[in-house]
Amino acid sequence: AQKVTQAQTEISVVEKEDVTLDCVYETRDTTYYLFWYKQPPSGELVFLIRRNSFDEQNEISGRYSWNFQKSTSSFNFTITASQVVDSAVYFCALSGYRDDKIIFGKGTRLHILP
Amino acid sequence: NAGVTQTPKFRVLKTGQSMTLLCAQDMNHEYMYWYRQDPGMGLRLIHYSVGEGTTAKGEVPDGYNVSRLKKQNFLLGLESAAPSQTSVYFCASSGTSDYNEQFFGPGTRLTVL
Repeated sequence: AQKVTQAQTEISVVEKEDVTLDCVYETRDTTYYLFWYKQPPSGELVFLIRRNSFDEQNEISGRYSWNFQKSTSSFNFTITASQVVDSAVYFCALSGYRDDKIIFGKGTRLHILP
Repeated sequence: NAGVTQTPKFRVLKTGQSMTLLCAQDMNHEYMYWYRQDPGMGLRLIHYSVGEGTTAKGEVPDGYNVSRLKKQNFLLGLESAAPSQTSVYFCASSGTSDYNEQFFGPGTRLTVL
């Protein structure tokens, strides 16, 4: 069975601090896809990144970076120099190869304090 | 392109009433999904569709029905609403199932009294 665990239910940091959101997944598939979504206070879900299981190269996009480690089944998300606009709920998700569905974690609510 | 739209945005029902939530997408996507989001539970899949005329059960299908008569529309029905169905409902679509990300609608906030 596939599973995504986001152990951090809620995190608060002061603006400009770095913060890492943890994501641990379980799957028997050798090919799979990992995702991160952001849900700001307005409520819509915004796609941030997709990573396939064959690509363990870390990715950086501005202040955002993602660390994918198959050895620990983790796909962690780091925000550098956090800003108040980063306050949101962040979801990690997993989809197996040729799977019809994406399995979402329960989300981490991030508060960036001014 | 409007992307994924949901109708209505808000609704209040009394226990036992019925209603239909409409999801529409203009991206010619094959796959469509209905989720519910409850505090502390993340997103849970209710039903999904892999193409026009097809539907399948997700994680929490009980009390809901769906139909996909047209490729661009995916309807979620509540035949006899219960307070436990108070939630925020999200529709999503994707071009394929696995490696393509899902695009989400703005959500429908449903309260059942």
